[in-house]
Amino acid sequence: SAVISQKPSRDICQRGTSLTIQCQVDSQVTMMFWYRQQPGQSLTLIATANQGSEATYESGFVIDKFPISRPNLTFSTLTVSNMSPEDSSIYLCSVGLGQETYEQYFGPGTRLTVT
Amino acid sequence: AQSVTQPDIHITVSEGASLELRCNYSYGATPYLFWYVQSPGQGLQLLLKYFSGDTLVQGIKGFEAEFKRSQSSFNLRKPSVHWSDAAEYFCAVDPGFQKLVFGTGTRLLVSP
Repeated sequence: SAVISQKPSRDICQRGTSLTIQCQVDSQVTMMFWYRQQPGQSLTLIATANQGSEATYESGFVIDKFPISRPNLTFSTLTVSNMSPEDSSIYLCSVGLGQETYEQYFGPGTRLTVT
Repeated sequence: AQSVTQPDIHITVSEGASLELRCNYSYGATPYLFWYVQSPGQGLQLLLKYFSGDTLVQGIKGFEAEFKRSQSSFNLRKPSVHWSDAAEYFCAVDPGFQKLVFGTGTRLLVSP
């Protein structure tokens, strides 16, 4: 497995502002992922972030709203831009480990509240 | 449509009793299958996984799951539940694109 940390662990933000969430892994990994978990809901994949290439976004998520950086094999950021109360969620990063397929291991999450 | 279904939103089990959480998937081919647990205020922890081979897989914390191809199911079981098992449980599948699709989750409550 891997040890994954996220910063901040939680934040309260005003609508119209942006927040950047950091994800740090204790080993080099090729694949990193960002998920959103809305209150009382399951997890939805936002995007896949591979080092050296543009992030790949899932349907319903766009780069202007959720820009992602992946500067190296141990770090990624997700920015939630121009926030509205509907963006209040837990945001989780995960890493893919494995040879034949990727088991995903998750960070502790960032709980975001937009007022 | 491709989906992952966890039909039970909540389940209450007495401590020491057995547990079975249901998961069904709808994909053309057998996907990779996972169970995760999310305790209050915690991230997700991988309990177990199925890729191929033996259809009964063992995981951490005394959990096991059985893959049944004919039923497109991957149910999670534990013979004796402990109070610390109270949490949200998510079934997830990777249909081969290295992306996880999660079920809606089952909240387990453990009564004394």
